Amino acid sequence: AQRVTQPEKLLSVFKGAPVELKCNYSYSGSPELFWYVQYSRQRLQLLLRHISRESIKGFTADLNKGETSFHLKKPFAQEEDSAMYYCVLDTGRRALTFGSGTRLQVQP
Amino acid sequence: DTEVTQTPKHLVMGMTNKKSLKCEQHMGHRAMYWYKQKAKKPPELMFVYSYEKLSINESVPSRFSPECPNSSLLNLHLHALQPEDSALYLCASSPQGGQGHWGGYTFGSGTRLTVV
Repeated sequence: AQRVTQPEKLLSVFKGAPVELKCNYSYSGSPELFWYVQYSRQRLQLLLRHISRESIKGFTADLNKGETSFHLKKPFAQEEDSAMYYCVLDTGRRALTFGSGTRLQVQP
Repeated sequence: DTEVTQTPKHLVMGMTNKKSLKCEQHMGHRAMYWYKQKAKKPPELMFVYSYEKLSINESVPSRFSPECPNSSLLNLHLHALQPEDSALYLCASSPQGGQGHWGGYTFGSGTRLTVV
């Protein structure tokens, strides 16, 4: 069965510091991975999808099939990045599998 | 229109009440979903409708009854709920159901349900 692991419940950094939110997955097929973000009192929004290899709001994520990881990175954190981040796996069969989420707290 | 609209935003209901949550999208998406999200937890899948047919029911208690009247609307009928059912109920849609459609899932802002 598929599984997504986000080992950190809370990640607290200072403004301007680099950020790395960890995500590991378990899936025997070819994964489609995404990062979703949920800002306070706002809806879940798609942040990144691995297939597009784009950078959104300065965030990037590279799929490493050897390590089965899809870590989210940003070189310089901003206060407005404070939110809950979910790593999500789409197997195409049973909708989305969410990781447990990591709350990013960027302090001034 | 690129949004999923959910109504009401907040709902307080007693354990003997019957209420309904509504979800609407006009993006032409053919798959729609209900998720339940407890505080500080990730969303948990409840139901999936694909081309207006129920394709997945994640062993949800019968006090939750989904309905998909047409390709744009999704309802969740609630009856005899328990206080532990209090949560944020999220609706989502995607272009196709069960096709791994490149994460084209759009989420609504949710209905915050409190059962008293």
